[in-house]
Amino acid sequence: QVQLVESGGGVVQPGGSLRLSCAASGFTFTTYGMNWVRQAPGEGLEWVAFVQNDGSREYYADSVKGRFTISRDNSQKTLYLQLNSLRPEDTAVYYCAKIFYEGGTDNIFDSWGQGTLVTVSS
Amino acid sequence: EVVLTQSPATLSLSPGERATLSCRASQTVIKYLAWYQQKRGQAPRLLIYDASNRATGIPARFSGSGSGTDFTLTISSVEPEDFAVYYCQQRYNWPPITFGQGTRLEIK
Repeated sequence: QVQLVESGGGVVQPGGSLRLSCAASGFTFTTYGMNWVRQAPGEGLEWVAFVQNDGSREYYADSVKGRFTISRDNSQKTLYLQLNSLRPEDTAVYYCAKIFYEGGTDNIFDSWGQGTLVTVSS
Repeated sequence: EVVLTQSPATLSLSPGERATLSCRASQTVIKYLAWYQQKRGQAPRLLIYDASNRATGIPARFSGSGSGTDFTLTISSVEPEDFAVYYCQQRYNWPPITFGQGTRLEIK
């Protein structure tokens, strides 16, 4: 079965950096686009970024554009999110999410990891 | 950006009652709307995609309807395990992909 396991969260000071990872198993990672979605404490869901299955295209929410970078290593079946210039408002649980259809950009999030908490605080 | 507005914010029902949750889009999303369930401390779970298609393993008591700008998630007879927060999400006009603010289904 599909398994997504995030790691890399923690406490970081404003202006700092962090790299999140999402290890995938149970499906052919190379054929599915992937996303990061975050959820601030007590708040709703916010889409963060998407990467095409082959890494050829990336899209970002305006709130993170220029600060965050999504990438993937298909040989390692791992998705990444590099977080730079962090702000207190970036504090959230970050989820990786797989899309439904192979090879596309359908952005139906059919599988989610358990999330990793990023706290930005001095 | 497509804004999704969910109503009501909170729905209080007893087990066995019918639940009707609404999601309205600020512009058409055709049929490209999904519904997710999130229980406390857990990741969201896909329930419905493309307005009316149940995801794998989702019980038949969950159904979705609508098109254009108005969508509904219906739970025909609420079970104790259904009390959670429900989000709608559009994928028609992106980026950005957008979610509604959520409807909390609570026990009356």
